[in-house]
Amino acid sequence: GQQVMQIPQYQHVQEGEDFTTYCNSSTTLSNIQWYKQRPGGHPVFLIQLVKSGEVKKQKRLTFQFGEAKKNSSLHITATQTTDVGTYFCAAYTGTASKLTFGTGTRLQVTL
Amino acid sequence: GAGVSQSPSNKVTEKGKDVELRCDPISGHTALYWYRQSLGQGLEFLIYFQGNSAPDKSGLPSDRFSAERTGGSVSTLTIQRTQQEDSAVYLCASSRTRGGYNEQFFGPGTRLTVL
Repeated sequence: GQQVMQIPQYQHVQEGEDFTTYCNSSTTLSNIQWYKQRPGGHPVFLIQLVKSGEVKKQKRLTFQFGEAKKNSSLHITATQTTDVGTYFCAAYTGTASKLTFGTGTRLQVTL
Repeated sequence: GAGVSQSPSNKVTEKGKDVELRCDPISGHTALYWYRQSLGQGLEFLIYFQGNSAPDKSGLPSDRFSAERTGGSVSTLTIQRTQQEDSAVYLCASSRTRGGYNEQFFGPGTRLTVL
């Protein structure tokens, strides 16, 4: 089945540093969704990208969908302790039926 | 409005016992997913229900795991003869499927501990 890999698995940054997580697939994706899971919580939807080369911003977060629709990135500028958590990408298969989650990137931010 | 709810929030059981976990999706959501998440790990897909179609059971780890969805709404995940490796948080999520790609809404999860 389709696999969606994320790198890095874990990153530890100091508050104020930037952070990027990458999502990669061997097959063309119909879309990309990003979710955030705070420690002890459940995943919460952040955003969806559909178009090739699409870029969307939410305050300090920038989401990008690759031109070939096989990869995506989430970049956080000037991290804050509130950014701590695990970030998951997720995508529908070509039939747009089942959502497949990536392996996740755990972000730790310290002062 | 009401989100996805799951019960119980915590379940402690003894090895070998059966357990049932319940998920109430958001009203009108036709898609329902079950995931398992071990401590510090990612989301392990278990099973997917879409409307009246046959469920996608490809993620169930063994025949001790089963799930049903009655009337296209509430779902129950059953684990028979629980083992210690079944200890994890079990998450349920639902989504609409009309009109393109839809986000998933997750419940708070059931933390299962098998002693």
